[in-house]
Amino acid sequence: AQTVTQSQPEMSVQEAETVTLSCTYDTSESDYYLFWYKQPPSRQMILVIRQEAYKQQNATENRFSVNFQKAAKSFSLKISDSQLGDAAMYFCARAGTASKLTFGTGTRLQVTL
Amino acid sequence: EPEVTQTPSHQVTQMGQEVILRCVPISNHLYFYWYRQILGQKVEFLVSFYNNEISEKSEIFDDQFSVERPDGSNFTLKIRSTKLEDSAMYFCASIRHRDFSYEQYFGPGTRLTVT
Repeated sequence: AQTVTQSQPEMSVQEAETVTLSCTYDTSESDYYLFWYKQPPSRQMILVIRQEAYKQQNATENRFSVNFQKAAKSFSLKISDSQLGDAAMYFCARAGTASKLTFGTGTRLQVTL
Repeated sequence: EPEVTQTPSHQVTQMGQEVILRCVPISNHLYFYWYRQILGQKVEFLVSFYNNEISEKSEIFDDQFSVERPDGSNFTLKIRSTKLEDSAMYFCASIRHRDFSYEQYFGPGTRLTVT
């Protein structure tokens, strides 16, 4: 099975600090894509960042960056300068050649003052 | 900016009733998906649809479920006889190409409550 594992059900970070959310995955494919989605209380799924597996360079989007370790099948999300609006559920997801998304179980991020 | 829309935002139905959830994907997108999220759980793939036919479905997508693109714009998910366990958030998504350099766009979801 092509699984995605998020081992941290909940994380907490102080405003302006940095937090890292972990994700590991299992795949037999060589060509695939990895994503982090944010789900606020509205339950809308919002794409935060994506990484193509064939690219060695880690993706970055403003305060969000990833640490992609292909050999270890690890894909962590780093949020710098955390803001109150970052509080949400964060889902790691993988898509292979079949293009459907396989999601992890999510990490609930709390941001405190 | 183009977006995926879904109606209704919330549907309440009685067990055994049929429901149809509607989605309007982005107009030039070619691949369409339905996902389900039971409250407090992860998002699960239900079905993908391309060229007017199902390209892949999960084991959740049994004979009670069907999908249709009746008029070239709407993409519907029908549940023939709802069960309590069908209560969930249902998301529609679409992409333009199979190449995932293009983002999979999600709609806002339909919350289905079966009583």
